[in-house]
Amino acid sequence: GAVVSQHPSWVICKSGTSVKIECRSLDFQATTMFWYRQFPKQSLMLMATSNEGSKATYEQGVEKDKFLINHASLTLSTLTVTSAHPEDSSFYICSAQSGAHQETQYFGPGTRLLVL
Amino acid sequence: TQLLEQSPQFLSIQEGENLTVYCNSSSVFSSLQWYRQEPGEGPVLLVTVVTGGEVKKLKRLTFQFGDARKDSSLHITAAQPGDTGLYLCAGRGGGSNYKLTFGKGTLLTVNP
Repeated sequence: GAVVSQHPSWVICKSGTSVKIECRSLDFQATTMFWYRQFPKQSLMLMATSNEGSKATYEQGVEKDKFLINHASLTLSTLTVTSAHPEDSSFYICSAQSGAHQETQYFGPGTRLLVL
Repeated sequence: TQLLEQSPQFLSIQEGENLTVYCNSSSVFSSLQWYRQEPGEGPVLLVTVVTGGEVKKLKRLTFQFGDARKDSSLHITAAQPGDTGLYLCAGRGGGSNYKLTFGKGTLLTVNP
């Protein structure tokens, strides 16, 4: 089956620093990747949609200068949380969708971010 | 904006009991997916339903898509502690809208 990985799985950083999270589709090419944020015991909130070779589309209320997304290849998308603050602490999850199976999103294992 | 109402939000039952989780919307979805998520992990796809009235079974789990493709249910028979987790429904709009709209989730605890 389709496998999506994320790196790192968890990260602790100081307030004001930037953190980069990678999302990779391991055995398929992902034309579209999605970034979600999830707070404890809550559902997933879509942050942005990332298409290979073009600018990401951000959901309302998500600061594009705060959460930089780059989808440089068909197997890699990155999310950079710039100048992180404690309120950015959350569980970040990516998903990938291939052109052949557009009905299904395959989710990564998530990245736990803790900003001190 | 498409919204999905999922109920109940929390459910704690004893091993062997049956349960049903509901996912309702006023919007029509081209497909609806059910996921199960364990703490600290990403959601894992259980099933995708596409056709109105469709029923799919996955061992002790039965998924149904409403005739009008606005609602869905997940029924678990003889729940086991291993079924514990967060169950999420997610609907996809039609056409080129690939985004998923997630329900708020049902946190299920099955006690031994």
